[in-house]
Amino acid sequence: EAGVAQSPRYKIIEKRQSVAFWCNPISGHATLYWYQQILGQGPKLLIQFQNNGVVDDSQLPKDRFSAERLKGVDSTLKIQPAKLEDSAVYLCASSLDYGGKPRGYTFGSGTRLTVV
Amino acid sequence: GDSVTQMEGPVTLSEEAFLTINCTYTATGYPSLFWYVQYPGEGLQLLLKATKADDKGSNKGFEATYRKETTSFHLEKGSVQVSDSAVYFCALLNTDKLIFGTGTRLQVFP
Repeated sequence: EAGVAQSPRYKIIEKRQSVAFWCNPISGHATLYWYQQILGQGPKLLIQFQNNGVVDDSQLPKDRFSAERLKGVDSTLKIQPAKLEDSAVYLCASSLDYGGKPRGYTFGSGTRLTVV
Repeated sequence: GDSVTQMEGPVTLSEEAFLTINCTYTATGYPSLFWYVQYPGEGLQLLLKATKADDKGSNKGFEATYRKETTSFHLEKGSVQVSDSAVYFCALLNTDKLIFGTGTRLQVFP
């Protein structure tokens, strides 16, 4: 089974620029998550989709971050404008079941963003 | 809200030493508990899990037991290898969201 695909692997941008990340989950996984992992910290959930609807975006800084999953499959996460503190690894994960089945989570390799 | 607390690292050990990484949690209800591992330059990988009290998860020589009375899920391995060097994250799943600890870096030297 193919894993969760993310691109790009690395991105360096200047502050105030915009950037977008892409995620393709495992086929058939209805739930998709974006996490932010700042160096030295654990991943923090930014947004959760089920199919193409947002389930939880309470931790997403909506003044600069946006995400969509238009067809209920792949997803993009955008930052506009970026700040220095946005430097982090952005992880995408997908899950087969909605409702907390523990075996369902699979993570992508992440996109490492550096804002200079 | 729900949270996970891990011991700070780095943990530095010689090969074949015994490993313990402490993890405690705070949660309402009955969460599932996980250990994830992140090798240098790679993504998060599920190492082991436990879904209810007194369950023991195990994989690759690592073990952790879900202790509800102490709200703990400590990771142990009897004899570490250099290849175990990585960052280890304890996590809980309550409803449908994974909540992570801050991670503990393990460095194993020959």
